[in-house]
Amino acid sequence: EEQLVESGGGLVQPGGSLRVSCAASGFSVSSNYMNWVRQAPGKGLEWVSVMYSAGNTAYADSVKGRFTVSRHNSMNTLYLQMNSLGPEDTAVYYCARIGFYDGNSAAFDIWGQGTMVTVSS
Amino acid sequence: DIQMTQSPSSLSASVGDRVTITCRASQTISTYLNWYQQKPGRAPKLLIYAASSLQSGVPSRFSGSGSGTDFTLTISSLQPEDFATYFCQQSYSPPWTFGQGTKVEIK
Repeated sequence: EEQLVESGGGLVQPGGSLRVSCAASGFSVSSNYMNWVRQAPGKGLEWVSVMYSAGNTAYADSVKGRFTVSRHNSMNTLYLQMNSLGPEDTAVYYCARIGFYDGNSAAFDIWGQGTMVTVSS
Repeated sequence: DIQMTQSPSSLSASVGDRVTITCRASQTISTYLNWYQQKPGRAPKLLIYAASSLQSGVPSRFSGSGSGTDFTLTISSLQPEDFATYFCQQSYSPPWTFGQGTKVEIK
């Protein structure tokens, strides 16, 4: 079964750092486009970052320069290093795989259960 | 960035009702439009991809249509397990963006 499991969330003070992880099973993170998507309490979904299979990355403007996505191929795990955190970063962080359909269409087809990050003093 | 606007933001409906949710993109996105269902405390689940294709395992009462800038998600006969929040998402160009969501509640 293809599955994603996030971990590492918690309470962090403003200005602090945190790293969250996403362990995959049933498929390889290095062969897929792997994303982080977040959801602030009671709010909608916001795409945060992607690591492409080639290893290049992209970020939302709201986190650019503060967040870094990486992966450990042998551990089949995706990471999100978050620095200079502010209250606006408080959210559930989901990792999600992009699946390709009909050779062209793409969608977030596998999601983890999410990990909560709370930024507060 | 491409802005996605859903309407309504919420609706109340009864079991058996036909429900339609609309999603509008700020620029043309062909059929690069996906729909997700999210229940409280759970991760989103892919329902429809490429505007009208049903994801494997999703009941046939769900359907999607549209192209260009205007899209719809239809639930032909609402079931108790369908009460949830629905999001559209464009996959035309990054940053991939979502609609603000439509909460379907029990009347």
